[in-house]
Amino acid sequence: NAGVMQNPRHLVRRRGQEARLRCSPMKGHSHVYWYRQLPEEGLKFMVYLQKENIIDESGMPKERFSAEFPKEGPSILRIQQVVRGDSAAYFCASSPTGGDLPQHFGDGTRLSIL
Amino acid sequence: RKEVEQDPGPFNVPEGATVAFNCTYSNSASQSFFWYRQDCRKEPKLLMSVYSSGNEDGRFTAQLNRASQYISLLIRDSKLSDSATYLCVVNSAGSQGNLIFGKGTKLSVKP
Repeated sequence: NAGVMQNPRHLVRRRGQEARLRCSPMKGHSHVYWYRQLPEEGLKFMVYLQKENIIDESGMPKERFSAEFPKEGPSILRIQQVVRGDSAAYFCASSPTGGDLPQHFGDGTRLSIL
Repeated sequence: RKEVEQDPGPFNVPEGATVAFNCTYSNSASQSFFWYRQDCRKEPKLLMSVYSSGNEDGRFTAQLNRASQYISLLIRDSKLSDSATYLCVVNSAGSQGNLIFGKGTKLSVKP
């Protein structure tokens, strides 16, 4: 499967724990985007990364959230000290370059906070 | 005004019907436009890009009116499998690629 791979598909955490969401872009894609979809809401942009660089993090909450895309390995979205309001579907998308090209999405990680 | 606005629907249509969705966007500097579809609890899937000259892909036709900041999607000869939520998506002007999504228009095609 050469598509965008996200894992885990489902993640359950208790309040105060950490959540780590992983995304491997499509082969040949070096641009990764993270989006969050709250129940009954549209997708909201969180962060845009290239290898080893954060290009745009204007959609990231100021605290508890961080993202990286190391030289080797998947992109990671990390949420520390999770709260109930973090429950959502988190989608990763990739594109071969930035700018105007369409983005292709992974299956998403559904995060549930108990 | 919301950045990307769509009628949430639902649109309930019989098989074979023609249905049209509309979308408006607020930032006149936006350059790229797309329609995605999203099935329940699934990821968004690119349906088609939208070009100023209008474009067609089988039963689907997309139109863009830059002057009115208006995008449309026409689906002809609706199939049961067309039932989904259709997302109007605009590239954020001035950014390097992040997308702005409408909340979607829900379509239900009935036999």
